[in-house]
Amino acid sequence: KAGVTQTPRYLIKTRGQQVTLSCSPISGHRSVSWYQQTPGQGLQFLFEYFSETQRNKGNFPGRFSGRQFSNSRSEMNVSTLELGDSALYLCASSLTGGAGNTGELFFGEGSRLTVL
Amino acid sequence: GENVEQHPSTLSVQEGDSAVIKCTYSDSASNYFPWYKQELGKRPQLIIDIRSNVGEKKDQRIAVTLNKTAKHFSLHITETQPEDSAVYFCAAGTYKYIFGTGTRLKVLA
Repeated sequence: KAGVTQTPRYLIKTRGQQVTLSCSPISGHRSVSWYQQTPGQGLQFLFEYFSETQRNKGNFPGRFSGRQFSNSRSEMNVSTLELGDSALYLCASSLTGGAGNTGELFFGEGSRLTVL
Repeated sequence: GENVEQHPSTLSVQEGDSAVIKCTYSDSASNYFPWYKQELGKRPQLIIDIRSNVGEKKDQRIAVTLNKTAKHFSLHITETQPEDSAVYFCAAGTYKYIFGTGTRLKVLA
């Protein structure tokens, strides 16, 4: 069974640009969540999608957005990049179903974004 | 807002000793508490989890305890080995997971 795949793995952008990151979940997983990882800040929750709907959102500005397609693949977009957006962006998929039905997160290897 | 505090941020132990990492959460609705291990340059991977209706869970050298009243849960690693060296993250949540800031564990041979 293929794992969670994220593309691109590495990218360099300049301030003011925008970026789109992609995540393909494990086959059969309907929940995809995104996290920002920076040194000292751990894993900060961005948003979670389930069946093409954003079910939960973290405390990030509106420059951070995402979407999920009918095949459960997800993308996240960051517009008007700032230096502080440099981080490892991790996507995780899960079988999570209905209310309160939590499940193991399977992480991708991440997309490392550097903003110059 | 929802928050998970994790301590210590770094921990060094001698091989064979035990290691304990503690987390406190704020959202009383949290019902699932996983622990993830992230080795250098690799993705986080689940090592053990516990649900709110259980007070303790063990898996070989790893155990997790949960005190719902105090909103506190802990990871215990016994007989530590060099391969246990990694960053460990606790998390709490329902649909979404709030992660702690991580503990860098170093096991000294």
